[in-house]
Amino acid sequence: GQNIDQPTEMTATEGAIVQINCTYQTSGFNGLFWYQQHAGEAPTFLSYNVLDGLEEKGRFSSFLSRSKGYSYLLLKELQMKDSASYLCAVMDSNYQLIWGAGTKLIIKP
Amino acid sequence: NAGVTQTPKFRILKIGQSMTLQCTQDMNHNYMYWYRQDPGMGLKLIYYSVGAGITDKGEVPNGYNVSRSTTEDFPLRLELAAPSQTSVYFCASSYSENEKLFFGSGTQLSVL
Repeated sequence: GQNIDQPTEMTATEGAIVQINCTYQTSGFNGLFWYQQHAGEAPTFLSYNVLDGLEEKGRFSSFLSRSKGYSYLLLKELQMKDSASYLCAVMDSNYQLIWGAGTKLIIKP
Repeated sequence: NAGVTQTPKFRILKIGQSMTLQCTQDMNHNYMYWYRQDPGMGLKLIYYSVGAGITDKGEVPNGYNVSRSTTEDFPLRLELAAPSQTSVYFCASSYSENEKLFFGSGTQLSVL
């Protein structure tokens, strides 16, 4: 079966750095997405990786290793507004998105 | 641009009732999707459409129906509501199949 694993919850301190991991087993691979979802709101797009390596976008970076079935989202200089759930989603060989359950990130002052 | 507009935001149904969740987008996207989100689980695809007049089942289509008569609109119909359909529903659209999704604001549905 197809599976996406990510930690259920993480806690970090304002101003620090946090890394949210995502491992996947899917039928084929056509890219990996990260979305941010604040409580009670819709997911919003953060990043897309289809080739191995690091993609940097401001305070957020996303890394992909296709051979290891692994990605991480790196958030730097954490702010209180970064408190949210972070969803990892992989596009399989049929271009269907398989979603992880999300990682709830709690930022403490 | 309004993006993806989804209504209603909240709804309570009795078992056996029917309702339609409305979704419209003004970005001229061909691809539209309906997802449900349950606590502790990833988003599950209910139905999707790759263009006007074309719809297809996703992972969890039972109990739902859709139509796509125009590029802009993609309503989701629940015919005989059941408690198992209590969930948060999201409509989404994208320009193509491997592009990022734009989501509507969601509908919190309770079936009692």
